[in-house]
Amino acid sequence: QVQLVQSGAEVKKPGASVKVSCKASGYTFTSYDINWVRQATGQGLEWMGWMNPNSGNTGYAQKFQGRVTMTRNTSISTAYMELSSLRSEDTAVYYCARGAAAPGRPLGYWGQGTLVTVSS
Amino acid sequence: EIVLTQSPGTLSLSPGERATLSCRASQSVSSSYLAWYQQKPGQAPRLLIYGAFSRATGIPDRFSGSGSGTDFTLTISRLEPEDFAVYYCQQYGSSPTWTFGQGTKVEIK
Repeated sequence: QVQLVQSGAEVKKPGASVKVSCKASGYTFTSYDINWVRQATGQGLEWMGWMNPNSGNTGYAQKFQGRVTMTRNTSISTAYMELSSLRSEDTAVYYCARGAAAPGRPLGYWGQGTLVTVSS
Repeated sequence: EIVLTQSPGTLSLSPGERATLSCRASQSVSSSYLAWYQQKPGQAPRLLIYGAFSRATGIPDRFSGSGSGTDFTLTISRLEPEDFAVYYCQQYGSSPTWTFGQGTKVEIK
């Protein structure tokens, strides 16, 4: 069965960077997009960006341009999201999600989420 | 950039009642590119509806989606206890981009 397993919780200081991993199993990693979505406590879902694991092509939400980098290691079926210049407002749960092979590429599978806390 | 506005913010209903959730887009959206998700506390979102009308695998038929253009609706025909949650609409746009509405909370009355 399809699974996305994310790395554990992180605590970072303002100005630092964080790198979250998302290990995929149960399907061919390079066949489906990986998206990253975050959610601050008590808030809604915020799309951060997208990556094609086959080509490595990426697209980022304008809000995160210049601060986020999405990469992958196809040999271990793992996607990564790195966010730099962290500030307190970046405290959130970060999810990876797999796009489906359907028009609109809905996000049919999600990781369990990784809590990133930014605090001095 | 397309903005999705969901209403109401909170819906207070009793089990067995019908829930009607609205998602309005700031400009026309292809029906093929409109999805709905359910999220329960402490859990990741779950895909319910894609392509505005199609239920995802394993989703009960009490959930249905409708709409076109700028107005879309998620209907839960008879609320079960497990349906009390937050619901998000989402559209897929060019570039590509994914945009979420701000969510509607369905709570027990």
